[in-house]
Amino acid sequence: EIVMTQSPATLSVSPGERATLSCRASQSVSSNLAWYQQKPGQAPRLLIYGASTRATGIPARFSGSGSGTEFTLTISSLQSEDFAVYYCQQYNNWPNSFGQGTKLEIK
Amino acid sequence: EVQLVESGGGLVKPGGSLRLSCAASGFTFSSYSMNWVRQAPGKGLEWVSSISSSSSYIYYADSVKGRFTISRDNAKNSLYLQMNSLRAEDTAVYYCARGGYIYDILTGYYLEAGYFDYWGQGTLVTVSS
Repeated sequence: EIVMTQSPATLSVSPGERATLSCRASQSVSSNLAWYQQKPGQAPRLLIYGASTRATGIPARFSGSGSGTEFTLTISSLQSEDFAVYYCQQYNNWPNSFGQGTKLEIK
Repeated sequence: EVQLVESGGGLVKPGGSLRLSCAASGFTFSSYSMNWVRQAPGKGLEWVSSISSSSSYIYYADSVKGRFTISRDNAKNSLYLQMNSLRAEDTAVYYCARGGYIYDILTGYYLEAGYFDYWGQGTLVTVSS
């Protein structure tokens, strides 16, 4: 099973600043990597798939990069609605696997 | 508008059974793989099971293999999860999620992929005596 490790566990950033979240796979997942956002009491929402393709309706301030084992989600200028928990997920191999999440909080 | 509505959750005793349902609308259900993902209270996301559009391919997490059965009825636009021999560690919100597609540049076809592009609001399953 591929283990996904996200860092940091918690990230404190001020509104308007840039946030960079990391995700590492225990073995190569090519570009088969997705990012999700989850707010309290809500279902997750797909942000990025294919490591760098924004999902429908996702603002351009969200961008994804990386391939193989190292991936990054960047939020260029944080808005109040962006403070949430973010998960990465690999779908290159069965079983699918998620990272443990990064909580993005207001500084 | 894509909608996924889960139902069937509730309180069940250890060793008991429960059947979850997911009603889909707003898209051609028979063209998409479907999935169950769960989230224990205060914890992260855990993939549970996936079924391809035609039910030809089915996958389970090791944690539920042999106890849970995923199925779908394309005529009824519905996805199911039969859960048997439930344990306390199965307590979680269970989400129904639609599978995404990727474009294969070699073949020119769109292929079912393992990411989840739409999610329901979830149904809570509590396993406790």
